[in-house]
Formats: sequence, structure tokens, C-alpha cells
Amino acid sequence: DTGVSQDPRHKITKRGQNVTFRCDPISEHNRLYWYRQTLGQGPEFLTYFQNEAQLEKSRLLSDRFSAERPKGSFSTLEIQRTEQGDSAMYLCASRREGGMYTGELFFGEGSRLTVL
Amino acid sequence: AQSVSQHNHHVILSEAASLELGCNYSYGGTVNLFWYVQYPGQHLQLLLKYFSGDPLVKGIKGFEAEFIKSKFSFNLRKPSVQWSDTAEYFCAVNAPGTYKYIFGTGTRLKVLA
Repeated sequence: DTGVSQDPRHKITKRGQNVTFRCDPISEHNRLYWYRQTLGQGPEFLTYFQNEAQLEKSRLLSDRFSAERPKGSFSTLEIQRTEQGDSAMYLCASRREGGMYTGELFFGEGSRLTVL
Repeated sequence: AQSVSQHNHHVILSEAASLELGCNYSYGGTVNLFWYVQYPGQHLQLLLKYFSGDPLVKGIKGFEAEFIKSKFSFNLRKPSVQWSDTAEYFCAVNAPGTYKYIFGTGTRLKVLA
């Protein structure tokens, strides 16, 4: 499968614990996004990477959230000291830029976080 | 700031009925417009997109959408729905040259067999 991969697919944790999600984008895609989706809502933008550079971080992300994309390949999203309000589906998407640019975001299947 | 409104949150139709889902966006400049679909248990996938040109765009599975600039709308249509169209549909907007994609809240469609 050459799509966007996310791991783990589901994480259950206790309040106060740290969690980390990983995203492997489509290999030739240099642009990577993290979104959050809660029940009854559409995906909400969290952060964006162009190669290894994090170009924007949403105000939705508190200081407990951090994302990285070392070497411009896979990305990680870490949530420290989780709260029940962090329970959501965390979506990763990627896109290529250049001659074959279509503007389409390719999404992974998401990592569902449940904070007890 | 850009925003996207989808006024129909839940739609229930019988098979063979016609479908129209509303999408309005708020942005003064040129936009790229998208409809994504999420089937139960699956990831979001692109249904169709509009960048420029013919305002009536056709996508996969018999879906089409019409961009009406004066109304800031990009409604999704299908003449005859099937049970397999049961899914959640999201409208999204992106301003050319920018990287952020803004999504609507989604419309959950249920098609009764």
C-alpha cells in the first residue's frame, strides 16, 4: 500500500499520560498536514510541514502539543499530559508540489485517541 | 478568515432519489474547492475538485458539483443515489498559493435500500 500510513490506529490512555502518533506520508509528497476531527465536526487544521520545516501551528494547539518532521519524511505528533478534551481522531494528510500538483490532500486512516 | 458552511448535517434518502448537498464558503478571492467523502470505516478521499474553467465539475461515482461564484457556493449533486453512497461528505476550500485547507462540518448521508 502506497498511501498515507498512521500509527497507532487507536490509543487509549489515562489523563496525564503522554502519547505520540506517527504519520508516514506518500513518499514523494513534501507537504504534510495534521488535522483533528471530533464527532460531528469536520477536520480542523492543526499544523503544516513543508519538507522538515513546520510553517504553521494552529492556535488550537496548546503548548502540550508538539509535532516534528525530521528529515522531511515521517512526522510525529506528541501530546503531553493528555486531557479528556484531547479525545479525537488525529488525521495526517500529505500532498505533493510541482509539475504534477493537483491540490489534492491524501489522508491516512487516522489515529483515534481516547483519554480516560 | 476563510470558512466553509454545510447546512445539511444529516440527510436520509431512498435509493434512486436525487441528492444535492449545500456548501458555501467565505473568502473574497480565488479559491480551489473540493468535496471529500468518508465511507464508514475508511479514510477521507477526494470526490471531485474545482480549480478553474468549467464551473460544472464531474467526479467519481456519478457525482458532480457546480461552482457559482456569485453565491460563493459549490453544491454537490447526484441524480440517483445508491445504498453504497452512504457516507459523510465534506466540502473544503483552499486559496491558491496557500497551504491551508478549511473543511466544513460535514453532511452525513444515509441511503435506504
